[in-house]
Amino acid sequence: NAGVMQNPRHLVRRRGQEARLRCSPMKGHSHVYWYRQLPEEGLKFMVYLQKENIIDESGMPKERFSAEFPKEGPSILRIQQVVRGDSAAYFCASSRQGETQYFGPGTRLLVL
Amino acid sequence: QKEVEQNSGPLSVPEGAIASLNCTYSDRGSQSFFWYRQYSGKSPELIMSIYSNGDKEDGRFTAQLNKASQYVSLLIRDSQPSDSATYLCAVNAGNNRKLIWGLGTSLAVNP
Repeated sequence: NAGVMQNPRHLVRRRGQEARLRCSPMKGHSHVYWYRQLPEEGLKFMVYLQKENIIDESGMPKERFSAEFPKEGPSILRIQQVVRGDSAAYFCASSRQGETQYFGPGTRLLVL
Repeated sequence: QKEVEQNSGPLSVPEGAIASLNCTYSDRGSQSFFWYRQYSGKSPELIMSIYSNGDKEDGRFTAQLNKASQYVSLLIRDSQPSDSATYLCAVNAGNNRKLIWGLGTSLAVNP
């Protein structure tokens, strides 16, 4: 029974490049959440998606960040023109309707 | 004002003792409360969830919720060195399902 899958586990990008982070939810889960954890800081909510819909993106930076959860395939968090301040651990969680969120292993993004 | 507050610690207890972790939250409309454990460099792992006032026990772990005082706690009995980690309190307020997180309490269990 596979858990939440995230890839890549580690991603290195140079300033100005694009970063694409993928998340496959647990089997039977149709709700996906993205969180960011900056070094020495707490987890911050970014976005909540259901299949083909963004439900809450109140935690997403206004520029350069976007997320999608298509009908087929994983959820994607996309960061355009990365800057050093984007270096963080990005966690995806999934759940069934209204239930507990389970976390993937995270993607550690390093911007050089 | 922070929405979810935890004592950052570190909290240090001897092996076999009870560790008590506390969390307060500001939104009275909060409905669901969670404790996650996070080892260094790893992702959060669910320990307990609690939804109604009172105590909820699961093995060595007991969560306690007091909505009137806006307070939730986690007790770890017979603490083991493997319990050494950061414990994160998360609160789900309203219908949007996003979790609001405390900064975590670092626990060290000394052999």
